[in-house]
Amino acid sequence: QQQVKQSPQSLIVQKGGISIINCAYENTAFDYFPWYQQFPGKGPALLIAIRPDVSEKKEGRFTISFNKSAKQFSLHIMDSQPGDSATYFCAASRGGATNKLIFGTGTLLAVQP
Amino acid sequence: DAGITQSPRHKVTETGTPVTLRCHQTENHRYMYWYRQDPGHGLRLIHYSYGVKDTDKGEVSDGYSVSRSKTEDFLLTLESATSSQTSVYFCAISERGGTSGAGELFFGEGSRLTVL
Repeated sequence: QQQVKQSPQSLIVQKGGISIINCAYENTAFDYFPWYQQFPGKGPALLIAIRPDVSEKKEGRFTISFNKSAKQFSLHIMDSQPGDSATYFCAASRGGATNKLIFGTGTLLAVQP
Repeated sequence: DAGITQSPRHKVTETGTPVTLRCHQTENHRYMYWYRQDPGHGLRLIHYSYGVKDTDKGEVSDGYSVSRSKTEDFLLTLESATSSQTSVYFCAISERGGTSGAGELFFGEGSRLTVL
């Protein structure tokens, strides 16, 4: 089964610190890698996404780093804030197919004030 | 926020009873999805729809059926609920799907189902 392995399962970071969440995939045909953010009691929402033609994509304090040869990608949250406390899911698919999107198991991030 | 309404939001039922969850959208998006979310498993696709009366199976479809008679409504049915189907169920929609491009998924707020 095609999988996306996500780590760590949970993460505690101090306010102002850097949060790093890692994902690894198996299927080399994957070419779309989104991250979703989920607050308690809410549904996930798209945070940022990358395609493998670039090694990094930045949107505000959020950055995706992509390593095609290692089949890994990661989410970096700079200057982490308590409002960033949420569960983060990485995902992957081939051709951007939403009906074939494979999600990681999620990382619960807690940013302490 | 995308106009997605799930009902009921919470339900407790007994093993062997039928359960139907409803997803209603006001965005007129073509694609609709049902996911389940469980600790340690993330989000797993149950079924999806690519148009009225057009549906297909996802990763964990056993024990579930779906129907879509109108663009705006997508129903998920558990014919005979089991304790393993205790979960949080999310409906999602997207304007694009398949390999037509990186369609963004918009999720509802979830329906928490407990099967005793």
